[in-house]
Amino acid sequence: GIQVEQSPPDLILQEGANSTLRCNFSDSVNNLQWFHQNPWGQLINLFYIPSGTKQNGRLSATTVATERYSLLYISSSQTTDSGVYFCAVVTTDSWGKLQFGAGTQVVVTP
Amino acid sequence: DTEVTQTPKHLVMGMTNKKSLKCEQHMGHRAMYWYKQKAKKPPELMFVYSYEKLSINESVPSRFSPECPNSSLLNLHLHALQPEDSALYLCASSQERGPGELFFGEGSRLTVL
Repeated sequence: GIQVEQSPPDLILQEGANSTLRCNFSDSVNNLQWFHQNPWGQLINLFYIPSGTKQNGRLSATTVATERYSLLYISSSQTTDSGVYFCAVVTTDSWGKLQFGAGTQVVVTP
Repeated sequence: DTEVTQTPKHLVMGMTNKKSLKCEQHMGHRAMYWYKQKAKKPPELMFVYSYEKLSINESVPSRFSPECPNSSLLNLHLHALQPEDSALYLCASSQERGPGELFFGEGSRLTVL
């Protein structure tokens, strides 16, 4: 099956800092989503981005499907950005099965 | 606010109990999913329903029994669970089974004593 690797595994940021999270995947994908899991466990949709670039406020994401990676940018981080960020993909031969990476644990300190 | 609603938020049960987790969505989606998440791990797929029919079962033990009474509702019936089944159970939905965007509920946190 497809391998989804996220880096770094852990990230500690000072409030106001910028950061980049990376997701590498080993096969062609039809779907790529970024999620933020808050401390209560809810998975919040950040981006649905199988290719291209999107922006939403202080967050933006870029997926380069031909090179099999996606990047999530967090700018001017806030303490509420703390949590686990997951990248998840669906491949052409795993229709409907969203495969998650291991996640990046982000801690933003005041 | 999430448009996928899960109840209960927390559940504690003994190994001989029978309980159910419920999930509801009103987005008109035709695919619904159960995921299981252990602490410090990513979610793992358990079941996929497409147009109210079970289309994927990821070799889940029979003590977990899914049910899709209609296109808006998804249940997970629990019976004779083990302590290692304690986890966060997440329900999700998407327009169709396939590459489209999935939307998750807030989860049901299950503890088996």
